[in-house]
Amino acid sequence: QVQLVESGGGLVKPGGSLGLSCAASGFTFSAYYMTWIRQAPGKGLEWVSYISHTGGTIYYADSVKGRFTISRDDAKNSLYLQMKSLRAEDTAVYYCAKIRRWAFEYWGQGTLVTVSS
Amino acid sequence: QSALTQPPSASGSPGQSVTISCTGTSSDVGGYNYVSWYQQHPGKAPKLMIYEVSMRPSGVPDRFSGSKSGNTASLTVSGLQAEDEADYYCSSYAGSIVVFGGGTKLTVL
Repeated sequence: QVQLVESGGGLVKPGGSLGLSCAASGFTFSAYYMTWIRQAPGKGLEWVSYISHTGGTIYYADSVKGRFTISRDDAKNSLYLQMKSLRAEDTAVYYCAKIRRWAFEYWGQGTLVTVSS
Repeated sequence: QSALTQPPSASGSPGQSVTISCTGTSSDVGGYNYVSWYQQHPGKAPKLMIYEVSMRPSGVPDRFSGSKSGNTASLTVSGLQAEDEADYYCSSYAGSIVVFGGGTKLTVL
């Protein structure tokens, strides 16, 4: 069965950096686009970034462009999100998800990132 | 990157039907047949309920159906059950990016 397990969340000061990981299993990771989606406490879902199966196509939401970097390691079946210049408004649960036909077919359980001094 | 517009709340009694709308533009909902819907219970990760406007993933009850007309997509839940009480989000491909609706809290009375 498909499993996505995020890790790396935690408390970071404004202006700081943090890296998230997502370990995938149960499907051919290298064949699928993958994405990060976040949800601020008590708020709705916000798409953050996606990466193509080859890594050659990457897009970001305007809110994170220039600060976040998505990447993947197919040998490790892993997806990453490197975040820098973090702001209070980046506080959220971050989910990784498998994309199929532009739908988010499977989601991880999420990892909480808190940006606070 | 404007969010899609959903009503903040919807409600219905057990056994009734309820429809949730999701309004975008010709650049997202109206321009592509890549509208999807997600159900989220409190403290849980979202779950895909509908993809490509009206397709149901395996395991999703046929009480859930989707449609689209112009720039507005809709999710209909028929034969409401207590476990359908949750937040529902729509999403659309928008030509290189993806946008979500603000979410609708569905209450089963």
